[in-house]
Amino acid sequence: AQSVTQLGSHVSVSEGALVLLRCNYSSSVPPYLFWYVQYPNQGLQLLLKYTSAATLVKGINGFEAEFKKSETSFHLTKPSAHMSDAAEYFCAKAKAAGNKLTFGGGTRVLVKP
Amino acid sequence: DTGVSQNPRHKITKRGQNVTFRCDPISEHNRLYWYRQTLGQGPEFLTYFQNEAQLEKSRLLSDRFSAERPKGSFSTLEIQRTEQGDSAMYLCASSLERAVETQYFGPGTRLLVL
Repeated sequence: AQSVTQLGSHVSVSEGALVLLRCNYSSSVPPYLFWYVQYPNQGLQLLLKYTSAATLVKGINGFEAEFKKSETSFHLTKPSAHMSDAAEYFCAKAKAAGNKLTFGGGTRVLVKP
Repeated sequence: DTGVSQNPRHKITKRGQNVTFRCDPISEHNRLYWYRQTLGQGPEFLTYFQNEAQLEKSRLLSDRFSAERPKGSFSTLEIQRTEQGDSAMYLCASSLERAVETQYFGPGTRLLVL
């Protein structure tokens, strides 16, 4: 069973529009959750992480995500898309110990001018 | 540059050949991870080290795969008798040991097996 599910493998947004990327997780205990971004031919860069402190997490480049335990979700948003936001985005979870990451399948974002 | 580095960045090989990849982590990081990413998928965990000890291996890591981190610094990932299904991006990441520290990823090694 998929531990991390990202709804929508591709998302197309207009420049200046809201970016919303959905992530749901399954876990028997509250996990640690992450969003990473991957630009073409590059490694993954951390956008933000949730580690059981504030449920609304602010990250780099204007992104933020909200942890909702009741919905087992950790959706990523950005109020206004820039052309430079075109990339692939991965949601991931980790256990408290061990720290290996389990990734979702990724969502590729296309930004239209 | 103090980030994670990986070499080579690209490798093309023929089926049946052996290949070895290297990862140099951020210098003070004692945890090092290997992941594999196939086209259109998220990365999948392969194995990780704390210092020189290999603490966990995924069942994805078949007998043809071996990873080492002999002095607790750089790591190598070797694939013996490569198969076309081994074609993927191999990502290395490193982190500090503290609970759920951020993993910093290298640029990856893209392997193509012909």
